[in-house]
Amino acid sequence: ETGVTQSPTHLIKTRGQQVTLRCSSQSGHNTVSWYQQALGQGPQFIFQYYREEENGRGNFPPRFSGLQFPNYSSELNVNALELDDSALYLCASSFRGNSPLHFGNGTRLTVT
Amino acid sequence: GQQLNQSPQSMFIQEGEDVSMNCTSSSIFNTWLWYKQDPGEGPVLLIALYKAGELTSNGRLTAQFGITRKDSFLNISASIPSDVGIYFCAGHDFGNEKLTFGTGTRLTIIP
Repeated sequence: ETGVTQSPTHLIKTRGQQVTLRCSSQSGHNTVSWYQQALGQGPQFIFQYYREEENGRGNFPPRFSGLQFPNYSSELNVNALELDDSALYLCASSFRGNSPLHFGNGTRLTVT
Repeated sequence: GQQLNQSPQSMFIQEGEDVSMNCTSSSIFNTWLWYKQDPGEGPVLLIALYKAGELTSNGRLTAQFGITRKDSFLNISASIPSDVGIYFCAGHDFGNEKLTFGTGTRLTIIP
């Protein structure tokens, strides 16, 4: 059974740039969620995707957007990067119906 | 964003000691989860709790879903070096797609 994989593992961007992060869900899972984890804090919910549509969103501005593809993989896009966007971005997958989330190892984004 | 209150914030213990940590919320959850996160990695699910009052074990780990549905605790017995890491509780509410995470408890084992 393949777990959740994310790419890239690390990324450095400049303020104002755009970034795309990628996630492959665990086999058998059809729902993908994205979380932002700032240093020293717990993960914060960004949004969830199910059947290729956004299915719940946290308190994040519209410059955070996503996609889910027919194979259940997903992308997180962030436009107009700000210094405070520096964080670990975690992708988690689950099977729709309240099953626990399984997380990938994240992408460490640094904005300078 | 909202985070659940975890205590203690950090623990320094000797190998072989038992550990207890808890998590409280101002709102009710229908599911409580406990995760462990090692440096440079994502959170790994340890235990999932689905019913108020439920007591569940996973090896040396035991967790309970509080009766009020606003709290949960995690116990680790006979700690070993690989228990080092940050432990997060998380609550989930039916009809709400997100997990709400706690602030974390950092466990360190003193040689």
